Amino acid sequence: DQQVKQNSPSLSVQEGRISILNCDYTNSMFDYFLWYKKYPAEGPTFLISISSIKDKNEDGRFTVFLNKSAKHLSLHIVPSQPGDSAVYFCAASRGNDKIIFGKGTRLHILP
Amino acid sequence: DSGVTQTPKHLITATGQRVTLRCSPRSGDLSVYWYQQSLDQGLQFLIQYYNGEERAKGNILERFSAQQFPDLHSELNLSSLELGDSALYFCASSVNLGAGNIQYFGAGTRLSVL
Repeated sequence: DQQVKQNSPSLSVQEGRISILNCDYTNSMFDYFLWYKKYPAEGPTFLISISSIKDKNEDGRFTVFLNKSAKHLSLHIVPSQPGDSAVYFCAASRGNDKIIFGKGTRLHILP
Repeated sequence: DSGVTQTPKHLITATGQRVTLRCSPRSGDLSVYWYQQSLDQGLQFLIQYYNGEERAKGNILERFSAQQFPDLHSELNLSSLELGDSALYFCASSVNLGAGNIQYFGAGTRLSVL
């Protein structure tokens, strides 16, 4: 049973435009959400997070939006740059429980 | 560099064999996590240790075991290996428990079972 779903395996976006990566979750008890970024031959690296008491968190070009009623979160990257090409993992957790990761979305930034 | 060191980077072995993967967490991090990433799969949580004690278990097979030593490094032991165990194995560490503690990942060990 996949509690965190990233339904788009891949996404292509023109350089300079906005990239929007989506994530859905099923467990309404999740209270913390994270995005990780992964380059080939490297481990995932933390990108940005959001607590369930907020609906938006921004860090430079990266913004995460949380819609609790829809059990949906999204990561916006503006403007998209070539170095943003990577696999992005959405993740969620509840309290001190383990983090549940989605399967990832591969983002291609086109020149 | 995340500060988490995993060795070896690559491992090629045969079915039925046993291997040990090693992880050194970031300095000061008490919690260590192990994940498996197979083809087309996300990061599957295997097991977590906190300050030497097993804290949480995920989808870890009985053929797999792990431990965290007093110096906080951790080892993941995989035995009676099968072809389906071929995957990337990641270790991560965090300062403490709790959702607010970001996990920092090593570069992974790629296991190929032939």
